[in-house]
Amino acid sequence: DGGITQSPKYLFRKEGQNVTLSCEQNLNHDAMYWYRQDPGQGLRLIYYSQIVNDFQKGDIAEGYSVSREKKESFPLTVTSAQKNPTAFYLCAGYSPGVNYGYTFGSGTRLTVV
Amino acid sequence: LAKTTQPISMDSYEGQEVNITCSHNNIATNDYITWYQQFPSQGPRFIIQGYKTKVTNEVASLFIPADRKSSTLSLPRVSLSDTAVYYCLQYNYGQNFVFGPGTRLSVLP
Repeated sequence: DGGITQSPKYLFRKEGQNVTLSCEQNLNHDAMYWYRQDPGQGLRLIYYSQIVNDFQKGDIAEGYSVSREKKESFPLTVTSAQKNPTAFYLCAGYSPGVNYGYTFGSGTRLTVV
Repeated sequence: LAKTTQPISMDSYEGQEVNITCSHNNIATNDYITWYQQFPSQGPRFIIQGYKTKVTNEVASLFIPADRKSSTLSLPRVSLSDTAVYYCLQYNYGQNFVFGPGTRLSVLP
């Protein structure tokens, strides 16, 4: 069953800790994206990668880091430098002609405790 | 900034047809128009895409006038399960999607 798999679904972080959110895909998407969503808001782009070993900052990259060592995986690390990390995080993949656009994962809800 | 403008919220009753209109004032020649649906705590999912005129699939219709400055998503006979946020986007292949706040549709019994 193809798709974008995000884990964990819920994640709790203590202040000052780094945490890594997983995103795996088996759709052979070239491009992958990370978005952040706050309550009642739209999606804001954090980072994106169009090919392996390359990635670009989005609109709100500060306090986040990513890697793209293989095509199937695009993990997001929320660092201690991110002052307000509590949010819903969505990973997406994109290939022209596939599903007419983006395919999203089911999201990870991160809460700072 | 989002390229599109759409109402923040709409209410409807079960069994009614719902039309959500989006403004695309700065649409480019190569841009497509696409609509996504998002339920709480889930990722958005694709509903429908078009370039001009009318497109229909099993869940919705999309109307795009000749000048392409707007688009209207039509949901026939909505049910409670259609309560969600609906996003309209315009994009060209190779560009990143830009999501606005969307339209929050509430379907009432």
